[in-house]
Amino acid sequence: KAGVTQTPRYLIKTRGQQVTLSCSPISGHRSVSWYQQTPGQGLQFLFEYFSETQRNKGNFPGRFSGRQFSNSRSEMNVSTLELGDSALYLCASSSVGWTETQYFGPGTRLLVL
Amino acid sequence: DQQVKQNSPSLSVQEGRISILNCDYTNSMFDYFLWYKKYPAEGPTFLISISSIKDKNEDGRFTVFLNKSAKHLSLHIVPSQPGDSAVYFCAASASNSGYALNFGKGTSLLVTP
Repeated sequence: KAGVTQTPRYLIKTRGQQVTLSCSPISGHRSVSWYQQTPGQGLQFLFEYFSETQRNKGNFPGRFSGRQFSNSRSEMNVSTLELGDSALYLCASSSVGWTETQYFGPGTRLLVL
Repeated sequence: DQQVKQNSPSLSVQEGRISILNCDYTNSMFDYFLWYKKYPAEGPTFLISISSIKDKNEDGRFTVFLNKSAKHLSLHIVPSQPGDSAVYFCAASASNSGYALNFGKGTSLLVTP
C-alpha cells in the first residue's frame, strides 16, 4: 500500500499571503489529521476530518482551515500568513477502527518571509 | 498546556544495551498511547502502541509499559542498535475527543557503536 503523500514538500511564502497544502491518505483510510511542528512548541494538533466532516479541532486561530473531499484527500489552508507560521506541517491518516493508529506523511516545510 | 511530557530531551546509549525512554501524562481521559520515531526531514513513523486496558505490549525489540496509576509510560529498546538513533515522540489520545494525538516534545536517542 502506498503511504500518506503530501504536496508540495517545500514552500516559501511572504507575510500576508495564503497557502494551500494537500494530503492524500493511505488507500481505505477515512480519517485525516493535520499537525504543525515547530522547534518551540513541538507537534501540535490542528484538526481532524472524517468522511468530509471536521470532527475535532485544536487550539489554532481561524486563519487555519481545512477540508476533506469525498475521496478522503484533504487540504489545509492558512490565510494571512505570519512569520510564526513557518513550520513543518504534517498530515496523518487512520483507518476506521478503535485503535486509530495514525500514519504520517513526510510533511510540507513552509517558510514565511 | 503540555499534557504529555518527555522530560529527557536527549539520551545516549551504547550499542547492545537497553534504551529506556520515559513519558508522563496529566490527562486521565487518555486511553491510547503511541510511540513514534522521527528522522530529520521525514514524518513520524509509528513504532508501537498500547491501550489503557493493558500494561505491556511487545513488538520485537520494542516494549512499551504503561503505569496508569502513575500516569507514566516507557519505551524499552533491547538491544539498541545505531539505526535506532532518532527522535522518539510519545503521544496520547482520548477516545472521547476524536483521537487527536497529544505529543510530547520528543527525546533524541543516540546509540553509539
